Amino acid sequence: SYELTQAPSVSVAPGKTASITCGGDNIGSKSVHWYQQKSGQAPALVMYYDKDRPSGIPERFSGSNSGNTATLTISRVEAGDEADYYCQMWESSSDHPVFGGGTKLTVL
Amino acid sequence: EEQLVESGGGLVQPGGSLRLSCAASGFMFSSYWMQWVRQDPGKGLVWVSRINSEGSTTSYADSVKGRFTISRDNAKNMLFLQMNNLRPEDTAVYYCVRGWGTISLGWYFDLWGRGTLVTVSS
Repeated sequence: SYELTQAPSVSVAPGKTASITCGGDNIGSKSVHWYQQKSGQAPALVMYYDKDRPSGIPERFSGSNSGNTATLTISRVEAGDEADYYCQMWESSSDHPVFGGGTKLTVL
Repeated sequence: EEQLVESGGGLVQPGGSLRLSCAASGFMFSSYWMQWVRQDPGKGLVWVSRINSEGSTTSYADSVKGRFTISRDNAKNMLFLQMNNLRPEDTAVYYCVRGWGTISLGWYFDLWGRGTLVTVSS
């Protein structure tokens, strides 16, 4: 089955840019979605179809997907962005969704 | 306000059963595919099951196939997950999730409930 690989943790200083990556074989040919899960809360969609933001998500959040890596970029990081971030795609062969293992973003 | 509220979780012995419920409000429930996604304590997200908008088509993760049954009542805006023959490894927070997308591009999850904790232990 298809696997999505995420780094366990990323740290960034406030005001800087955080890049959270999601690796997979030729992932650039697939649609990737991203979820933010703050401590003690349910996940929430922050990016869909690689680069589309749901209403209410700040423009500081952007997405890209090419080759073997999809990336969620958070500009001008704030303390409130500290959370776990999960990537997800739909595996057409099994008709099931696949999640990455998650990346914990720490704001220093 | 669009909302999903789960209930029915709790402590159950191995081999036991539980029925999770999810009450939907604020949107046209009957128009959406619905899913259950679970999260082991301190770990990542795992998809469990899916049902189409009419309730006629279902799908399950291999780990729960034959033990779990997803269903819905569109008249009451309710989603259910009947869990039988529970195992300790089924211990997790179970989220009711709304799916959106297309067959060609795939699906994503745009609305999540707060989850209900299921603990399987003797």
